[in-house]
Amino acid sequence: KNQVEQSPQSLIILEGKNCTLQCNYTVSPFSNLRWYKQDTGRGPVSLTIMTFSENTKSNGRYTATLDADTKQSSLHITASQLSDSASYICVVSASFGNEKLTFGTGTRLTIIP
Amino acid sequence: DTEVTQTPKHLVMGMTNKKSLKCEQHMGHRAMYWYKQKAKKPPELMFVYSYEKLSINESVPSRFSPECPNSSLLNLHLHALQPEDSALYLCASSQDWGQGDEQYFGPGTRLTVT
Repeated sequence: KNQVEQSPQSLIILEGKNCTLQCNYTVSPFSNLRWYKQDTGRGPVSLTIMTFSENTKSNGRYTATLDADTKQSSLHITASQLSDSASYICVVSASFGNEKLTFGTGTRLTIIP
Repeated sequence: DTEVTQTPKHLVMGMTNKKSLKCEQHMGHRAMYWYKQKAKKPPELMFVYSYEKLSINESVPSRFSPECPNSSLLNLHLHALQPEDSALYLCASSQDWGQGDEQYFGPGTRLTVT
């Protein structure tokens, strides 16, 4: 069964600090991995998308890494801001054809001033 | 324009009502999706439309009826819902289905069934 696990479930950090969120997956065959940011009551917004051959991708203060051998990904947030408070969801896509996304349960990040 | 719009933002309905959720995109995407999301849970896929035809129905109860009038619009018709159907309903679209394309999500409709 395809699964995506994220850790920690929740995280509280001070504004300006860095943090790293983790994602482990068992989706096979692998197509791509995405990180989404979801504000409460809103739809998810894509941060990064990485394929098998990519091991790092940045989007501003967000940097995602992917280790396809160990089936792990991380999302590093630099110099956090209050607006970074949200849920961060790791989503893995199986290979082409009848594609379905497997969603992780998310990490709830809270930035405090 | 990389926006998926959904209306209404909020909806409160009784168990005997009939209502519809609407979703629209103008990115030329050929695949559109409905998801249901309960609080503190990840989105769950309900339906997938590809080229205006229903491709996936994830065993959704018949009280939810999707419709794709054209390539830019996706509706979800609701009838005789239960309180446990209260959730955030998300619409998404992608260039194609089954090609690993990125899905763009709308802001969602917060549905409360009383």
